[in-house]
Amino acid sequence: EPEVTQTPSHQVTQMGQEVILRCVPISNHLYFYWYRQILGQKVEFLVSFYNNEISEKSEIFDDQFSVERPDGSNFTLKIRSTKLEDSAMYFCASSEVSGNTIYFGEGSWLTVV
Amino acid sequence: GDSVTQMEGPVTLSEEAFLTINCTYTATGYPSLFWYVQYPGEGLQLLLKATKADDKGSNKGFEATYRKETTSFHLEKGSVQVSDSAVYFCALSATSYDKVIFGPGTSLSVIP
Repeated sequence: EPEVTQTPSHQVTQMGQEVILRCVPISNHLYFYWYRQILGQKVEFLVSFYNNEISEKSEIFDDQFSVERPDGSNFTLKIRSTKLEDSAMYFCASSEVSGNTIYFGEGSWLTVV
Repeated sequence: GDSVTQMEGPVTLSEEAFLTINCTYTATGYPSLFWYVQYPGEGLQLLLKATKADDKGSNKGFEATYRKETTSFHLEKGSVQVSDSAVYFCALSATSYDKVIFGPGTSLSVIP
């Protein structure tokens, strides 16, 4: 069964460093998403991406965050200068059409120290 | 705005007990409704879904019925197993936007 894959599974970084989280969405999907889950808390929407541009973003997704689809398969989330409060599980997701089922990857644990 | 409310956990049940996790939603229009499950140390997996009123989603012995009149999508299972221990998230998605909105999650522990 097709799946969303994410790398790395776990990354530890120093505060102020840049981090790039990578995702390979399901191949025929057109909508891509990033969510995050701070330990023990709810899953929060960060950004959605369609047709090579951001279609929606939340208040969390400030200027420190960016997304990119550098080629036909990868979808990346960049955090420019990490803060302690960025420590969370980051989930990539994709869907075939808007409003349809969204499939999630296994997540990337980011620990900022 | 659109939102999802779930019963607070944690919920602890004995094996073979009946499970209900309540979920209600607020949304304009007719959203699709989902239950996702997160097993310890793992990502989010789609458990079941329903896309219109009175639809029943089912998977792995779990069921949920889309009740428009009560704006609810309660998750049920007749006999839980230890392997069902996980966090369960109710969620919705509307065609007017392309994201999923999650409830806060309900932690379930099943003891032998």
